[in-house]
Amino acid sequence: DTAVSQTPKYLVTQMGNDKSIKCEQNLGHDTMYWYKQDSKKFLKIMFSYNNKELIINETVPNRFSPKSPDKAHLNLHINSLELGDSAVYFCASSHPLGGGNTIYFGEGSWLTVV
Amino acid sequence: EDQVTQSPEALRLQEGESSSLNCSYTVSGLRGLFWYRQDPGKGPEFLFTLYSAGEEKEKERLKATLTKKESFLHITAPKPEDSATYLCAVQAIRGAQKLVFGQGTRLTINP
Repeated sequence: DTAVSQTPKYLVTQMGNDKSIKCEQNLGHDTMYWYKQDSKKFLKIMFSYNNKELIINETVPNRFSPKSPDKAHLNLHINSLELGDSAVYFCASSHPLGGGNTIYFGEGSWLTVV
Repeated sequence: EDQVTQSPEALRLQEGESSSLNCSYTVSGLRGLFWYRQDPGKGPEFLFTLYSAGEEKEKERLKATLTKKESFLHITAPKPEDSATYLCAVQAIRGAQKLVFGQGTRLTINP
């Protein structure tokens, strides 16, 4: 009964391809996120959705398009993949952060672009 | 801009050798400071949230403290299973709902 699950865990693809990562949470949270962890281990927010509505878009190239079909799912689609997109992508969820609520992370999706 | 700096980048200790990890932050009004543990190949696992200066929280061999400029994660008599990367993050009162993370401290406990 994984709380935040994302698939696939590993993804190797060629430059120029389009790929998607799926995320689902069963915690009943209203807010979901995508974070990117680069080779230096910095975790940086990319997007945040609250009840299917986009709240944060942190200057991410528009090749990245999140989609939230319902508040339990937040998928990430990436067009025209570039070498620099290689990273670990973490999905996460929380109750609205206004009250300092905890963010719970998935296990990560390792994307390698060759 | 909100910023978090963790030190040291890496720390190697012998089993039982206590130490502290530092998290310095600048934020436009702190709503909360978060500590996470990350094992290789895994997502960050929540440890603590601290909300105001002077607050302390404990969990097993870990104790987190908070001042107006920094937080410490004290590890008492660590065991090899405490080896992991420890991440610190802040949430500002103002602005969007996000955490700003430091680069982490990679802790290795040798038996």
